[in-house]
Formats: sequence, C-alpha cells, structure tokens
Amino acid sequence: SQQGEEDPQALSIQEGENATMNCSYKTSINNLQWYRQNSGRGLVHLILIRSNEREKHSGRLRVTLDTSKKSSSLLITASRAADTASYFCATDGAYSGAGSYQLTFGKGTKLSVIP
Amino acid sequence: GAVVSQHPSWVICKSGTSVKIECRSLDFQATTMFWYRQFPKQSLMLMATSNEGSKATYEQGVEKDKFLINHASLTLSTLTVTSAHPEDSSFYICSAIRPSGKGNIQYFGAGTRLSVL
Repeated sequence: SQQGEEDPQALSIQEGENATMNCSYKTSINNLQWYRQNSGRGLVHLILIRSNEREKHSGRLRVTLDTSKKSSSLLITASRAADTASYFCATDGAYSGAGSYQLTFGKGTKLSVIP
Repeated sequence: GAVVSQHPSWVICKSGTSVKIECRSLDFQATTMFWYRQFPKQSLMLMATSNEGSKATYEQGVEKDKFLINHASLTLSTLTVTSAHPEDSSFYICSAIRPSGKGNIQYFGAGTRLSVL
C-alpha cells in the first residue's frame, strides 16, 4: 500500500531554477528517504532524514521533515538538465509488517529541467 | 559506495517460460534484500523480502509459487518468474540493505525489464 504521496506529480522548470517536491505520509515513521530514478533505471539514494531531524542538506539538496504534519519536502537548488528524473520519497517505520527495514514508496514526482 | 548488481537488464521471453533474475551485492554482505515491481509511470510496489538462509516474506497478493525467491548466500538473491505470462511484463528492481550507522538505506539494482510475448 502507498504510504508516501508526492506532489506535484509532474514539475517542469527552467535550468537554474529551484525545484520543490513535497511528500506526505500517514503513519508514524522512523526515517524518511528520498530517491531518484532516471527513466528505466534503478533508484539512487539521495538523502535520509530521521524522525527527530527537521532539516538536512546534501550539496544542492535540502530536505525538511515536519512530523506534526507528516510531510517532507525536497528542494533542489540551481537545477540542471541532468536533474531530470523521477523523485520518490520512502518511509520506514513501526507499521512495517516485516520490520522497520521495509520501505514504502510514494508515487513520485517527475521533474523535467529544461535547458 | 555500495553497489548492487542486477542481471539481466532486459529479457524478452515467450509465454510459459520461466525467467530468473539475479541480484548481487558487490561490496557488502546483505542479509536482507527486497524485490519490487514497477509498472510504467507508477511507483515501486514491494513484492517480497528476501532473507538469507530462510524463506522469503511475500506481500499480500503476491503469489509465492509464481515468484520464487532464493537467497542462498549473503551476496545473492534470485527471483524466478515461473511460467511467465504477458501480464507479468514489468520492471523488476531489487535492493539490498547495507548496515551502517546512518540508517536503513537500501541500495538498488538497475532493474530488469521483463517483456513476455
């Protein structure tokens, strides 16, 4: 079942602009992660934020987490054409039947960065 | 960084044949691996959790006799789609957990595109 829900479903921006994607989830979590997927490829882990963290940075990526609202955002600054991909949030937590290692993915945001 | 290798990357087969997909952790040992299925423009759906040395745990609605999982070593898990049919055509992705102090990060293979004619 889907836990994370990203919005928007699709986002198109000009190179150099910032891209913001949001993710909402329904139940308690231990961690929230963001992954990137190029078309027809596997997923690449971008960043993990723990439930007791509010913000995390990695290069041009900035992730926020608001556990009271059960939401997270991924900001990509100064976007490049190479950032074009689908971005998924994934959560793990106490709801996972097979233990907290299990991830549940949202539907993803398809980002297109126009050169 | 951690690398997970998945093979083959693309397979086309006739209806009724069985297809085996391999997932290897190349530079770490993985006691737990996961198999996902992804339809076009959709998210990943967990099919099963593969545990080294024990039976896989299947998600609800996933036929264990249809999707055979074997995790015989700490670096290899295989998914066999038995008697594949056109509706089994999909993108299959595996992942492995690399233990670290940074949390339960899953590293993904590049995926296998299965096309059943």
